[in-house]
Amino acid sequence: DQQVKQNSPSLSVQEGRISILNCDYTNSMFDYFLWYKKYPAEGPTFLISISSIKDKNEDGRFTVFLNKSAKHLSLHIVPSQPGDSAVYFCAASYNNNDMRFGAGTRLTVKP
Amino acid sequence: DTGVSQDPRHKITKRGQNVTFRCDPISEHNRLYWYRQTLGQGPEFLTYFQNEAQLEKSRLLSDRFSAERPKGSFSTLEIQRTEQGDSAMYLCAFPGPPETQYFGPGTRLLVL
Repeated sequence: DQQVKQNSPSLSVQEGRISILNCDYTNSMFDYFLWYKKYPAEGPTFLISISSIKDKNEDGRFTVFLNKSAKHLSLHIVPSQPGDSAVYFCAASYNNNDMRFGAGTRLTVKP
Repeated sequence: DTGVSQDPRHKITKRGQNVTFRCDPISEHNRLYWYRQTLGQGPEFLTYFQNEAQLEKSRLLSDRFSAERPKGSFSTLEIQRTEQGDSAMYLCAFPGPPETQYFGPGTRLLVL
């Protein structure tokens, strides 16, 4: 049962432009949503998160938006940099247990 | 540095062999999680510990898998009679604020 879905396996953007990564979920019990970044041969690195009681959280170039009614969240990266090229995973959890991940979106930022 | 080390980082084994992985958080955490990540997928939850107690197991954790956390600090994950389908990256994680989990570098297992 795929409770967290990332429908775009890849995204390519030009340096300096905005990257928008999308994620959908099905379980309304999730109370926290997270984005992780992963480089090859490394574990996922926590990037940014949002509580279900908020609709936006910003940290530098990264902003996460949550639309609970649509069960949709997105990660905006502005401006995108070549070093942002990685696989991005969306994750959701209830009570910080049994975190569910999407399949990931590979972001390529071209110089 | 995520504060978690995993050993070994890579393991190649033949089908049918047993393998054991270790996870060492640098500082003490009451919870510890194990995940598995296969190619093209996100991490999948396997099990978690609250101190020494194993509190939840995913249906992915077949009876060939066993995990322990004997002193509530480091943890081991053993796979008996490995199969080619066990080839994956095995990740451990511990909780951090706020409501996040921080992952170790993982152990990449290849079963031939």
